[in-house]
Amino acid sequence: NAGVMQNPRHLVRRRGQEARLRCSPMKGHSHVYWYRQLPEEGLKFMVYLQKENIIDESGMPKERFSAEFPKEGPSILRIQQVVRGDSAAYFCASSPPRGEQFFGPGTRLTVL
Amino acid sequence: KNEVEQSPQNLTAQEGEFITINCSYSVGISALHWLQQHPGGGIVSLFMLSSGKKKHGRLIATINIQEKHSSLHITASHPRDSAVYICAVWIANTGNQFYFGTGTSLTVIP
Repeated sequence: NAGVMQNPRHLVRRRGQEARLRCSPMKGHSHVYWYRQLPEEGLKFMVYLQKENIIDESGMPKERFSAEFPKEGPSILRIQQVVRGDSAAYFCASSPPRGEQFFGPGTRLTVL
Repeated sequence: KNEVEQSPQNLTAQEGEFITINCSYSVGISALHWLQQHPGGGIVSLFMLSSGKKKHGRLIATINIQEKHSSLHITASHPRDSAVYICAVWIANTGNQFYFGTGTSLTVIP
């Protein structure tokens, strides 16, 4: 049973471009969470999704950020018109309902 | 004020020492996790606790629900234990959010 997969592991974008981060949950996990870790800071919750539903997006910036978890395929965190302040590590975790979360290896986004 | 407070922020130990990292939280929780993050690496979940004590190898985690406090102990520490240890509390009734501590950076010197 493969763990949580994230790709790409490293992503470089220029200011104004779009970033798409993918997360494939563990087999049998229907819940996905996205977290952001800014340089020299702790982890912060962004969004919690179930298949085709956003359950809690209270940690998402109001603009430019969106997330989805379609019926088929990975969860996508999309950042439009990236700025330097978006440079961070983005971690995805998955869990069964009310179960333990397992983390992916993260995607390190660098905005030039 | 952070919902989750960890101490110490930084810790340096000699190989073989017994290490304790503390976590206090201010909210009612469904479970508490201890996570390990290596430099430049991903995050590994070490323990999920809702009561009592768990042990895995040289790692021991305890939680006192009444006192809203948890500790992570490492016995016979080793340089490969050097990492950031993060306490995270899971509050199910707010939408399954995790609240994270700022982490304890551990360095074990040979």
